[in-house]
Amino acid sequence: SAVISQKPSRDICQRGTSLTIQCQVDSQVTMMFWYRQQPGQSLTLIATANQGSEATYESGFVIDKFPISRPNLTFSTLTVSNMSPEDSSIYLCSVGRDRGSKTQYFGPGTRLLVL
Amino acid sequence: AQSVTQLDSQVPVFEEAPVELRCNYSSSVSVYLFWYVQYPNQGLQLLLKYLSGSTLVESINGFEAEFNKSQTSFHLRKPSVHISDTAEYFCAVSDGGRRALTFGSGTRLQVQP
Repeated sequence: SAVISQKPSRDICQRGTSLTIQCQVDSQVTMMFWYRQQPGQSLTLIATANQGSEATYESGFVIDKFPISRPNLTFSTLTVSNMSPEDSSIYLCSVGRDRGSKTQYFGPGTRLLVL
Repeated sequence: AQSVTQLDSQVPVFEEAPVELRCNYSSSVSVYLFWYVQYPNQGLQLLLKYLSGSTLVESINGFEAEFNKSQTSFHLRKPSVHISDTAEYFCAVSDGGRRALTFGSGTRLQVQP
């Protein structure tokens, strides 16, 4: 399995500001995903981060609110823009080593609290 | 579209007792099934997975799950739980196409002494 790190591990932010979350993998992976876990809830896929092209967003998530970058095969960022208290969640990145890989491994998550 | 149902939101159990966490899925295509565990204040860890082959899969810490295609289930079992098994358990399914996972709502396993 890959070793995945996320920065920051947690943050407390003010309403209206933006936060960029980083996901770093110790080896090249083809597939990277971003999920959200709202308090007491399950995980919901936000988008698939595509290397060299625009991310693919799930229904209910838009690029203006959650811009994603993926400059290479080991790194991705998710920005939570113009935050409101409803954005308070755990944000997790996950990776699949290649397109044939059916297993995803998750980072430790970023715990975000918006006041 | 696929979905996952975890029938029990919480399962309290005494230490050394057996436990079963239920998971049912719906999908129009062949699926791959996973159980992830989330310990308090931690990320998700892969517990076990069914991709193909034997329908009974096991983890290194004594959990097992059986893929039952006719009942569209992938229940997680352990014959004797420990206090350290207290965690949230998520069942997930992938259709292998998009590679993204669809998660169930989770089951909180509370092991009591």
